Amino acid sequence: RKEVEQDPGPFNVPEGATVAFNCTYSNSASQSFFWYRQDCRKEPKLLMSVYSSGNEDGRFTAQLNRASQYISLLIRDSKLSDSATYLCVVGMDTGRRALTFGSGTRLQVQP
Amino acid sequence: DGGITQSPKYLFRKEGQNVTLSCEQNLNHDAMYWYRQDPGQGLRLIYYSQIVNDFQKGDIAEGYSVSREKKESFPLTVTSAQKNPTAFYLCASSPGPGTDTQYFGPGTRLTVL
Repeated sequence: RKEVEQDPGPFNVPEGATVAFNCTYSNSASQSFFWYRQDCRKEPKLLMSVYSSGNEDGRFTAQLNRASQYISLLIRDSKLSDSATYLCVVGMDTGRRALTFGSGTRLQVQP
Repeated sequence: DGGITQSPKYLFRKEGQNVTLSCEQNLNHDAMYWYRQDPGQGLRLIYYSQIVNDFQKGDIAEGYSVSREKKESFPLTVTSAQKNPTAFYLCASSPGPGTDTQYFGPGTRLTVL
């Protein structure tokens, strides 16, 4: 089982749609959680950190469910510019002090 | 401007050659990382360093080497022992421990001819 699992997609949605991505992680002792965005042939960029209480940044909402080891990202009112790959990222302090990246979910917003 | 720089952006190598990829940061971050990304794949950790003069192997360290002589610099050498070196190489840094937010450089695309 992968440490961080995501549906690879692609998710093809029309402009204005609401889309949700899910991610599961295997290590219950994981400490930090993030969503990164990666455009084609570019570096990943931090979209938002994910907190147990959930957090929102404009059209983006992230949720963490520690009991189910599940992270979600909701994008409302999708824009063409939201088209990218979204990476679920988990920090597991297992002695290897580095983040673990999911393979990403590709989103294509269509006009 | 603060940030992470990588050079070169594109690199072509003949089989059997060693090449060194540069990564520099002026964010005063303690930790630095090297990842490899293959088409349609996620990021895989090659090496990481939590502090100057110390570094640790990641998941795919074979055929690679690093040094961390200065806080701001973490060069990666791709040796001839790396059998499939063609990939997108990303350097990252973080202010603190390994579970902290990481910030990425623009990457180097290495192609073996």
